[in-house]
Amino acid sequence: EPEVTQTPSHQVTQMGQEVILRCVPISNHLYFYWYRQILGQKVEFLVSFYNNEISEKSEIFDDQFSVERPDGSNFTLKIRSTKLEDSAMYFCASSGSYTEAFFGQGTRLTVV
Amino acid sequence: QKEVEQNSGPLSVPEGAIASLNCTYSDRGSQSFFWYRQYSGKSPELIMSIYSNGDKEDGRFTAQLNKASQYVSLLIRDSQPSDSATYLCAVNKVAGGYNKLIFGAGTRLAVHP
Repeated sequence: EPEVTQTPSHQVTQMGQEVILRCVPISNHLYFYWYRQILGQKVEFLVSFYNNEISEKSEIFDDQFSVERPDGSNFTLKIRSTKLEDSAMYFCASSGSYTEAFFGQGTRLTVV
Repeated sequence: QKEVEQNSGPLSVPEGAIASLNCTYSDRGSQSFFWYRQYSGKSPELIMSIYSNGDKEDGRFTAQLNKASQYVSLLIRDSQPSDSATYLCAVNKVAGGYNKLIFGAGTRLAVHP
């Protein structure tokens, strides 16, 4: 069964460093998303990506964040100059159209 | 007003009972509605989708949608301890021609033997 895969599963980084979280969406999907979940809190929308550009982003997704689909299969989230409050689970998801989104297993980001 | 609202729970039900989970949403333009299950430390797992008013059944799960009342619910029949998890209601919000899922905060369900 096709699935969304994310790497790494856990990333520890020092405050101020840049991190790149990677995702391989389901191959025939068209819409890609990043979500964030701070421990004990709700799943929060960060950004959606369609046709090689950002289609929607939340107020959380500021200049510190960027997304890219560098090679037609990977979908990355870059966080520049990480802050302590960026510590969270980051989920990538993909969907075929205006339908269900399927989530990867997540990357736990710990900023120390 | 929150875009998607759920009672945080915990909702505690005995094994074999029916668990009823509720969700309201604020955007009348919402078109698609989903229930995800999330075990602690894991990613959300899609369990039901519903697009039109009425009921949709899949095994022990029934989703109900009432667009006039902006209300969607999930019934779990014959609840099992393995159903203990957080259930996330998600609503597709069409914005600028593209879609994004907005999640509620989730309802924690505890099924006790």
